[in-house]
Amino acid sequence: EDQVTQSPEALRLQEGESSSLNCSYTVSGLRGLFWYRQDPGKGPEFLFTLYSAGEEKEKERLKATLTKKESFLHITAPKPEDSATYLCAAVIQGAQKLVFGQGTRLTINP
Amino acid sequence: NAGVTQTPKFQVLKTGQSMTLQCAQDMNHEYMSWYRQDPGMGLRLIHYSVGAGITDQGEVPNGYNVSRSTTEDFPLRLLSAAPSQTSVYFCASSSDRVYGYTFGSGTRLTVV
Repeated sequence: EDQVTQSPEALRLQEGESSSLNCSYTVSGLRGLFWYRQDPGKGPEFLFTLYSAGEEKEKERLKATLTKKESFLHITAPKPEDSATYLCAAVIQGAQKLVFGQGTRLTINP
Repeated sequence: NAGVTQTPKFQVLKTGQSMTLQCAQDMNHEYMSWYRQDPGMGLRLIHYSVGAGITDQGEVPNGYNVSRSTTEDFPLRLLSAAPSQTSVYFCASSSDRVYGYTFGSGTRLTVV
């Protein structure tokens, strides 16, 4: 069964304290791995797509990386406005759906 | 450019009532999907469409119907609401499923 697992479920950091979120996947064939940000009461907002192991993408304080078994979202020197739930999702070869992880709720304290 | 528009934002239904959740996109995207989001369950696919006139079931299709008569619109119909359908519903669209989906702001549905 295709599965995406995120850890930790929740993470609380001080402003400026760097860390990483993990997304591990067990899928039959990966076409792409997405990262989304979701603020309370809103829909997921697209951040990155990664297509192959070794690929990296950056946006402001965020950097996403991909290996054959997992993806990491590194957050460097975070600010309170980075507080949100971060979702990862896999697109499976031959399938039309995104398989989502349950998300990591990130809180950045000033 | 409005993106993906969902209406209504909030709805309370009584058990057994029917209703339609509306979704419209103005990006000329072929792929459209409906997801539900429940605490501890993540986002789960209800139905999807790869173009006008073509729809198919996702993981949790029971109790829901969809149709796609135009590229822009993809309504989700609840046939006979049940408390288990209390959830937040998201519509999403994409030009290609591997290029990233754009999500609407969601409909929070409560069935009492």
